Order: sequence, then structure tokens, then C-alpha cells
Amino acid sequence: KAGVTQTPRYLIKTRGQQVTLSCSPISGHRSVSWYQQTPGQGLQFLFEYFSETQRNKGNFPGRFSGRQFSNSRSEMNVSTLELGDSALYLCASSLTDGLAGNEQFFGPGTRLTVL
Amino acid sequence: AQSVAQPEDQVNVAEGNPLTVKCTYSVSGNPYLFWYVQYPNRGLQFLLKYITGDNLVKGSYGFEAEFNKSQTSFHLKKPSALVSDSALYFCAVRPSWKAGNMLTFGGGTRLMVKP
Repeated sequence: KAGVTQTPRYLIKTRGQQVTLSCSPISGHRSVSWYQQTPGQGLQFLFEYFSETQRNKGNFPGRFSGRQFSNSRSEMNVSTLELGDSALYLCASSLTDGLAGNEQFFGPGTRLTVL
Repeated sequence: AQSVAQPEDQVNVAEGNPLTVKCTYSVSGNPYLFWYVQYPNRGLQFLLKYITGDNLVKGSYGFEAEFNKSQTSFHLKKPSALVSDSALYFCAVRPSWKAGNMLTFGGGTRLMVKP
């Protein structure tokens, strides 16, 4: 079974631009979560989608948004990029809605650099 | 709100010796607890989880963790460390009663195993 895939793996953008990152979950997984990893703030939850609905959202500004498609693939978008948005963005998928305690499986991440 | 503390930024251990990576948590209600490992330029890899039941949980690659409700701890252990265990380890928590896969992570502990 293929794991979680994320594209692109690396991105370089300039301040003010916008970016879209893509995540394909493990086949059959309906939950997709996004996390931001930085040296200063560590791993922080961005948002989670389950069956195309945003279910949870972390404490990030409205410049960060996402969506999930009917095939469970997800995209996240960051508008008006700032230098502080430079980070590793990780996508994770899980089989169910979480109440059963299923673990999440992470993709390799997209490394975003904002210049 | 939940939180996780990993009090040691780095743990050094000699190959063949036992290792412990510490984690304490705070969450309302019963917790779901997870350990993940991250190798350089990779996403997070699931090691083990505590959902309910036996306080000693066994996971991948010979790792185990002990859930202690009174001390709100979930320390990761391995009887005999390998050089290949050197990596960044994350403890994570979420409440069992809440739908969703949103995880709160600790700051991470770098494990260095020396030959």
C-alpha cells in the first residue's frame, strides 16, 4: 500500500506570493491533517479535514486555508507569504474520525522557503 | 487545552545500553498518547500508542512505553540502544473523547546513540 504522498517536496517563494501544497492520503483514509514544523515553534497543528469537511483548526491566521476533495486528497494554501511561513509542512492521514484512537501516518513533507 | 512536555532536548546513550526518553502530558479526560520518530529530511514515523488497557505498550523496532496515569507520563524505553536509533523523537497527545485526529506534540528529544 502506498504511503502518504506530498507534492512538491521543495518550494521557494518570495514574500507576498501565494502557494498551494498537495497531499494524497493512504488509500481508504478519510482524515487528512496538516502540520507546520519549524525549529522555533516545533510541530503545530494547522487543520484537519474529514469527508471534505474541516473538522478542527489550529491557531493560524486566515492566510492559511485548506480543502479536501471527494477522493480524500487535500490541498493547503498560504496567501500573502511572510518570511515566518518558511517551514516543513507535513500532511498526515488516518483511517477514521479519531475516536477509535487510530494513529496518523505522515508524508515526507513539503519544505517551503520564503525569501 | 492539552499540552506535552519533553524535558530533555537531547539524550545521549551508549550503544547496547537501555534508553529512556521522557514525556509528560496534560489533557482533560482520558488521553490517547503517541510516540513518533523523525529521521533527517523525512516525515514522522509512528512507533507506538496508548489507547486503553495495559499500561505497558510495545511498538516498532523494540521500543516500548509505559503509561502512568498518576504521574501523567508516557516515557519511551528500549532495553538495548542501537546507533540506528539516533533520531528526533516526538510525544503527542489528544483527548480520547473528542472526535478528530488533532495532535498536540512535545518539543521533541534528540536521541544520540554512540558506538
